[in-house]
Amino acid sequence: NAGVTQTPKFRVLKTGQSMTLLCAQDMNHEYMYWYRQDPGMGLRLIHYSVGEGTTAKGEVPDGYNVSRLKKQNFLLGLESAAPSQTSVYFCASSYSSGPETQYFGPGTRLLVL
Amino acid sequence: GEDVEQSLFLSVREGDSSVINCTYTDSSSTYLYWYKQEPGAGLQLLTYIFSNMDMKQDQRLTVLLNKKDKHLSLRIADTQTGDSAIYFCADTSYNTDKLIFGTGTRLQVFP
Repeated sequence: NAGVTQTPKFRVLKTGQSMTLLCAQDMNHEYMYWYRQDPGMGLRLIHYSVGEGTTAKGEVPDGYNVSRLKKQNFLLGLESAAPSQTSVYFCASSYSSGPETQYFGPGTRLLVL
Repeated sequence: GEDVEQSLFLSVREGDSSVINCTYTDSSSTYLYWYKQEPGAGLQLLTYIFSNMDMKQDQRLTVLLNKKDKHLSLRIADTQTGDSAIYFCADTSYNTDKLIFGTGTRLQVFP
């Protein structure tokens, strides 16, 4: 049981480049989330999904798109990266929206120059 | 909007108790959580408390909730060097099932 995995672990982009971050979970969880973590701030929700084929905006969705074509995968896309998107990105999954724990991935560190 | 605040840093001696504090603004909070983040890792749920409780104990961890003052604390007894990490408080409410995180408190344990 790998839990929640994220690919890649680290990436450097130039302004304007695009990339996709992959989150995969093998726990058959319905809910999946993408967060960003910036210094001195808590995690902020970018987008989330309540099931295969569904996505919804979180607190800071601008500049990002997501897709959930398969239940186990949740992709986060940056179409035109900006320095303000330099951050650590965390994916999480959970059975439901209740108090059950969200399981977090190890994070992807992204630097946009 | 909803806000969750924590102090940024706490330093304690090994063997002492640590108390990490958190305040929140959402009066409809249902569950409040404590997460631990070790260097280079994702967040790990430590414990959570339902809003109709005022205390929860789990081994070395004690969570106290003062709903009137919207204050949550995490006490770690007999703090060890392995407890050094960033601790996040978070809440959810009836209005949203999304987690709202605090800024995190960096706990440093010295010998």
